[in-house]
Amino acid sequence: DGGITQSPKYLFRKEGQNVTLSCEQNLNHDAMYWYRQDPGQGLRLIYYSQIVNDFQKGDIAEGYSVSREKKESFPLTVTSAQKNPTAFYLCASSMGRGLNTEAFFGQGTRLTVV
Amino acid sequence: GNSVTQMEGPVTLSEEAFLTINCTYTATGYPSLFWYVQYPGEGLQLLLKATKADDKGSNKGFEATYRKETTSFHLEKGSVQVSDSAVYFCALRGSGGYNKLIFGAGTRLAVHP
Repeated sequence: DGGITQSPKYLFRKEGQNVTLSCEQNLNHDAMYWYRQDPGQGLRLIYYSQIVNDFQKGDIAEGYSVSREKKESFPLTVTSAQKNPTAFYLCASSMGRGLNTEAFFGQGTRLTVV
Repeated sequence: GNSVTQMEGPVTLSEEAFLTINCTYTATGYPSLFWYVQYPGEGLQLLLKATKADDKGSNKGFEATYRKETTSFHLEKGSVQVSDSAVYFCALRGSGGYNKLIFGAGTRLAVHP
């Protein structure tokens, strides 16, 4: 089955630690995205990548980093510089960035700072 | 810039009631419009989409019509079920930049037997 796999489903981080969230897709999509979701809010874009070895900052990139070394993978690192990292993180992909192109989402990772 | 505004929730309905969730947008040009659904603890799933004015998207009994004159894309269903309880997000992908997908804040729907 084609899809997007995020891992882990739940993640706990101590203050001052970096953590990496995994996102893998087997849809052969060029574009991949990371969103953050907070209670009662919509999705806010953290980073996106349109092609391997290239990525761009979204609206709330501070305190996060990404890499895109393979087409299938787009890991997100939440660094200690992110002051309020507790949130639900969603990875998505799309075939391209055409106007009528929908995004497909993973099941999400819930990150909690303890 | 482009933006999406949804009605605030929660929306609470009895089973078989009629559902409307309002969505309006601001965008330059001719965006594509989407409705996504999120069940508890899960990611988002595409529910329906419309890519040009007067298009009607439909899926699983849900419908939404792209109204350019009122810049709206309201979601409707004639008879809701308990299994429709979820959070619904309106989104647009508009021209400019890299055609970013922009989401509304989401509307929580609770359907009771």
